[in-house]
Amino acid sequence: LAKITQPISMDSYEGQEVNITCSHNNIATNDYITWYQQFPSQGPRFIIQGYKTKVTNEVASLFIPADRKSSTLSLPRVSLSDTAVYYCLVGPRRGGNKLTFGTGTQLKVEL
Amino acid sequence: NAGVTQTPKFRVLKTGQSMTLLCAQDMNHEYMYWYRQDPGMGLRLIHYSVGEGTTAKGEVPDGYNVSRLKKQNFLLGLESAAPSQTSVYFCASSYSALATDTQYFGPGTRLTVL
Repeated sequence: LAKITQPISMDSYEGQEVNITCSHNNIATNDYITWYQQFPSQGPRFIIQGYKTKVTNEVASLFIPADRKSSTLSLPRVSLSDTAVYYCLVGPRRGGNKLTFGTGTQLKVEL
Repeated sequence: NAGVTQTPKFRVLKTGQSMTLLCAQDMNHEYMYWYRQDPGMGLRLIHYSVGEGTTAKGEVPDGYNVSRLKKQNFLLGLESAAPSQTSVYFCASSYSALATDTQYFGPGTRLTVL
């Protein structure tokens, strides 16, 4: 299983761009990288997924360098409602029990 | 369309007691998962199921049993609860096991074992 590390916490202010990095040094060739967001007392929910280079959707961007040993979730112009825990998930295309979550990063956004 | 639901939401057990957590999904998903979430450790997979009547072990299966008698339900059992099983339990489901398929999570069950 991939070993995944994330910063424990990050602080930001409304309107700023936030970048959260996930380290997955032993990522396998066929592993995908997925990010989930979790609000208090709720289950995680999907944000974005990628395999290499850059992926963008309506809420975030995901940057994956060529060696794929890390990935960065970028949240543009955060607001108070983006305060949550963000999890990186790494695993092969046919995941099953080989999908591994990171320890999560608590993002706190202030005025 | 309720998505993934879990019952109960909260439970307090004494050491040695047993209980069953119920997960239900109405999305006709084949795959279902049970995770536990502990501070500083993220989400760890307990057991998972690739379809009705099949189950498999995850990363931390000891002390838990599961059953998937119906496609829409996935039960997690604790036969003899221990304080180390105090945690928040999340159920999830997905259309397939492909990493490209989104996992949909329930709201969680907070279990305390005294």
